[in-house]
Amino acid sequence: QLQLQESGPGLVKSSETLSLTCTVSGGSISSSTYYWGWIRQPPGKGLEWIGSIYYSGNTYYNPSLKSRVTMSVDTSKNQFSLKLSSVTAADTAVYHCARQGPGKAPDYWGQGTLVTVSS
Amino acid sequence: QSALTQPASVSGSPGQSITISCTGTSSDVGIYDLVSWYQQLPGKAPKLMIYEGSKRPSGVSNRFSGSKSGNTASLTISGLQAEDEADYYCCSYASSSSYVVFGGGTKLTVL
Repeated sequence: QLQLQESGPGLVKSSETLSLTCTVSGGSISSSTYYWGWIRQPPGKGLEWIGSIYYSGNTYYNPSLKSRVTMSVDTSKNQFSLKLSSVTAADTAVYHCARQGPGKAPDYWGQGTLVTVSS
Repeated sequence: QSALTQPASVSGSPGQSITISCTGTSSDVGIYDLVSWYQQLPGKAPKLMIYEGSKRPSGVSNRFSGSKSGNTASLTISGLQAEDEADYYCCSYASSSSYVVFGGGTKLTVL
């Protein structure tokens, strides 16, 4: 059974860089079928797609976040990562990593990790 | 990139059927059969209920069905049960820059 697990600091200071890693188990991140993505959900609000990465390193980012987002993949560790720079309180959210199947629909999700941006 | 439009809330009684709409544009919902639907219980990760417009993953009840007309996709839940009470989100692939867009979410209340 495929599992995804997010890891990283739960508290980030305003203007600094948020860094998260997603570890995939029960399947290979190098599969040619899937993309791997990050999705966030501010407290009490809806879901927002951040970006997706292919095992080859090709990336697609949400245009509204593109200037601040960097995603990378480490196939040797079966992990992919997110960096979001110049964070503000508006970036406080639960961050989920997910596998994306046909049409980039997220089908397997990590449980999510709350990241709070403090001033 | 604009979020897909969903009603903020819908409600129904046990045994009834309800439909949640998801309106996009000709660049996302209208151009592809690539809408997915998610159920989110409080404090949990979203669960895929429908993908590619109308397909159900293994293990999802056949009470859940998806359809599309023009730029609007719909999720129908028949034989409503108390356990269906949750937030529901639609999601679509969009052609421009190969991005993904979500709806704002709909809270389903089972009366």
